[in-house]
Amino acid sequence: QLVLTQSPSASASLGASVKLTCTLSSGHNNYAIAWHQQQPEKGPRYLMKLNNDGSHTKGDGIPDRFSGSSSGAERYLTISSLQSEDEADYYCQTWDTGIRDVVFGGGTKLTVL
Amino acid sequence: EVQLVESGGGLVQPGGSLRLSCAASGFTFSDHYMDWVRQAPGKGLEWVGRIRNRANSYTTKYAASVGGRFIISRDDPQNSLYLQMNSLKTEDTAVYYCVRGLYSRPLYYFDYWGQGALVTVSS
Repeated sequence: QLVLTQSPSASASLGASVKLTCTLSSGHNNYAIAWHQQQPEKGPRYLMKLNNDGSHTKGDGIPDRFSGSSSGAERYLTISSLQSEDEADYYCQTWDTGIRDVVFGGGTKLTVL
Repeated sequence: EVQLVESGGGLVQPGGSLRLSCAASGFTFSDHYMDWVRQAPGKGLEWVGRIRNRANSYTTKYAASVGGRFIISRDDPQNSLYLQMNSLKTEDTAVYYCVRGLYSRPLYYFDYWGQGALVTVSS
């Protein structure tokens, strides 16, 4: 069964960088994912599609401060020059080709100090 | 500009029914698969169901938690998506998001989200 694992929380200082991780379950190292951001009291927003080779395609209007990378079963979202509006929940999402269903990670709550 | 605007949320008693609508604009609605995703208070995202486009016979698929109770439909000329929710349970209480699906092999993902509609199931 395909599972996406995210740390429940992360924190970093204003102006610094942070790297969030989404881990694919065993046997699914080659899967692509999508990252979504949910600011407080708002609907989610698509950030990027991230392939297993680290290539990524960002959504409309997503700043250059957001980037993605991959290593093995890990999929990363790096946010540089953190701003207060980056304080949000971040979800990874993929597609289980076996059961043809959407899978979400549990989300990471990012606090900007 | 792509926009997805949900409406129809509200308070309903357990066992009752409610219909959500989603008005789409800014893209060729008929070309796209459309999904519903929900979020219970303080919880993460949960996929609810999908309706494919006309080219794929408008077929639908549902999460096990709502199958047999929820029905997704669409009206392409009206650029509208619907979620008919029947036999509602307290655990269906959530914000429901209308989302546009995109298949870019090998990933199916959501590239636009609505602002959400709150459904509260309570006596």
